[in-house]
Amino acid sequence: SQQGEEDPQALSIQEGENATMNCSYKTSINNLQWYRQNSGRGLVHLILIRSNEREKHSGRLRVTLDTSKKSSSLLITASRAADTASYFCATRSGAGSYQLTFGKGTKLSVIP
Amino acid sequence: DVKVTQSSRYLVKRTGEKVFLECVQDMDHENMFWYRQDPGLGLRLIYFSYDVKMKEKGDIPEGYSVSREKKERFSLILESASTNQTSMYLCATMGSSSGEQFFGPGTRLTVL
Repeated sequence: SQQGEEDPQALSIQEGENATMNCSYKTSINNLQWYRQNSGRGLVHLILIRSNEREKHSGRLRVTLDTSKKSSSLLITASRAADTASYFCATRSGAGSYQLTFGKGTKLSVIP
Repeated sequence: DVKVTQSSRYLVKRTGEKVFLECVQDMDHENMFWYRQDPGLGLRLIYFSYDVKMKEKGDIPEGYSVSREKKERFSLILESASTNQTSMYLCATMGSSSGEQFFGPGTRLTVL
C-alpha cells in the first residue's frame, strides 16, 4: 500500500534556483527518508529524519518534518543540472519494522 | 561502501519461462528486499527477508517466490513469467541498526 505521496509529480526549474518537493503520509512513522533515482538506475539514499526531529540538513539538502500534519518537504538549494532525477520519500512505520513504504516520486528537471 | 549487485541489467524472457533474478550484497546486512517499479505506481514491495531462510510477503507477492540460502544472496523467482511481470526489479539491503536501504542498479525485465 502506498503511504507517501509526493507533490508535485513533476517540477522543472532553471539551474541555480531552489527546488521544493513535498511528501504526505497517512499513518504514524518512526522515520521518513528521501531517495534519489537517476534515470533507469537504482535508488540512492539522501537523508533520514526521525519522528522526533523537525529539520535536518545535508549539504544543499534541507528536510523538514511536521508529524502533526503528516508531511515532509525536501528543499534542494542552488540546483544543478546533475540534480535532475526522480525523488522519492519513504516512511518506516515502527522501530521493529524493516519495511519502507515509498511514494510515487517527483520528477525534477533542472535546465542548464 | 555497500555494494549491491544484480545479476543482469536487462533481461528478455518468454511467457511461461522460469526466471531467476539474483541479488548479492557485500555488507553482511541481515535484511534484503525485492521491489518492482512501474510508471505511475512507484516502488512496490514483493518480498523481503530478515535472515537466512526467512522470508516475508510484501504487498504484491503473487506470481513470485524467493530464496535466501546464504546471507549475502537473495533470489527472486518468477515461476511462470507473464507479460504483466514486465517491469524494473530492484533489490535492496538494510542493516538492523541503520535505517536506510541500499539499492542495486536494477534489472529491467521484459516478458514477451
